[in-house]
Amino acid sequence: SAVISQKPSRDICQRGTSLTIQCQVDSQVTMMFWYRQQPGQSLTLIATANQGSEATYESGFVIDKFPISRPNLTFSTLTVSNMSPEDSSIYLCSGGQGFDNEQFFGPGTRLTVL
Amino acid sequence: QKEVEQNSGPLSVPEGAIASLNCTYSDRVSQSFFWYRQYSGKSPELIMSIYSNGDKEDGRFTAQLNKASQYVSLLIRDSQPSDSATYLCAVRGSQGNLIFGKGTKLSVKP
Repeated sequence: SAVISQKPSRDICQRGTSLTIQCQVDSQVTMMFWYRQQPGQSLTLIATANQGSEATYESGFVIDKFPISRPNLTFSTLTVSNMSPEDSSIYLCSGGQGFDNEQFFGPGTRLTVL
Repeated sequence: QKEVEQNSGPLSVPEGAIASLNCTYSDRVSQSFFWYRQYSGKSPELIMSIYSNGDKEDGRFTAQLNKASQYVSLLIRDSQPSDSATYLCAVRGSQGNLIFGKGTKLSVKP
């Protein structure tokens, strides 16, 4: 199984600012994803992080708000831009070795926007 | 749009009993199914994956899959208070991502 770390683990930010979350995997993974988990809710996919190309976003999520980079097979970043209190959530990255393989999650980043 | 349905609970069982968690999914062609456990304030932890009809056992956990009925279940034998958590059922999506149910909260009473 892959071991995934995220930085920061939590942050409190002001409205209108941006935060970049880093996701590091201890081995090369084919698939990387970013999810959001709002308080008391399940996980919702934000986007698929594609290595060397633009991320694939789910309906309701746009690149201008959630730009994603994935420069190699072990690292990705998610930026939450122009934040509002509605962006307060836990952001999780996950990785897996192949399309049909198991996925493992990072510890999450707890974001509070004031 | 694939959907995954779970009873949100809470499901309460006494220590030592069998906990039965159920999940249904909407897309008949789905092939890969997963159970995750999530403790409060923590990220999801993979418990089991199942791809074929029938049962798959791992220690105290048994996953059951019935593709004809579009039904996945997780049995936890000899339930312990440490099993108290939210259990998330997930189905593989078209991007290789996971589509999650809302989760069932399990409480194991000593």
